[in-house]
Amino acid sequence: DTAVSQTPKYLVTQMGNDKSIKCEQNLGHDTMYWYKQDSKKFLKIMFSYNNKELIINETGPNRFSPKSPDQAHLTLHIKSLELGDSAVYFCASSPEGESYGYTFGSGTRLTVV
Amino acid sequence: KNQVEQSPQSLIILEGKNCTLQCNYTVSPFSNLRWYKQDTGRGPVSLTIMTFSENTKSNGRYTATLDADTKQSSLHITASQLSDSASYICVVSDGGNDMRFGAGTRLTVKP
Repeated sequence: DTAVSQTPKYLVTQMGNDKSIKCEQNLGHDTMYWYKQDSKKFLKIMFSYNNKELIINETGPNRFSPKSPDQAHLTLHIKSLELGDSAVYFCASSPEGESYGYTFGSGTRLTVV
Repeated sequence: KNQVEQSPQSLIILEGKNCTLQCNYTVSPFSNLRWYKQDTGRGPVSLTIMTFSENTKSNGRYTATLDADTKQSSLHITASQLSDSASYICVVSDGGNDMRFGAGTRLTVKP
């Protein structure tokens, strides 16, 4: 009965590959997010979806593409992986337009070799 | 420059002792501030959340304070336990869909 679940938990892949990370929430929240936590532990927002609509896109390279088929699911597709993409990626969800009630997933540790 | 600065970067204390973590922010406008606890290999878990009008909020042995005038917050942990060892992250919201995260304070509680 995990509230926000991510898969996989760990992902090791070679440079140049394409990979996806999936997230699902059962909290009934309207908004979902992808965050990247770098080696210095900074959490930076990448994308935000509200009811399947992209509302925040702060990722420069178009190698990153989120998809949200419904308000409970969010996927992060990454193309042509680079060494600098190695990080922990967190999914989160919250009620619509509300910064209260943020709930994070347990993270996906991506290692690009 | 990050809009949320935390100090100290790391802290080691003995079990049973108290400690205080600091958070200074420049985020404007201000909507709310929350403290998260992040265990190693886990996602952040919310401890407290405070709005502009709240000065203090407690959650068990955790007590957060907020001074919206000076834009400072603190997290006080009383009678620390080994399980308190974690990173504590200060997060400030401007009321929109984005939040600003501090880099966190790494707390280690030793027996």
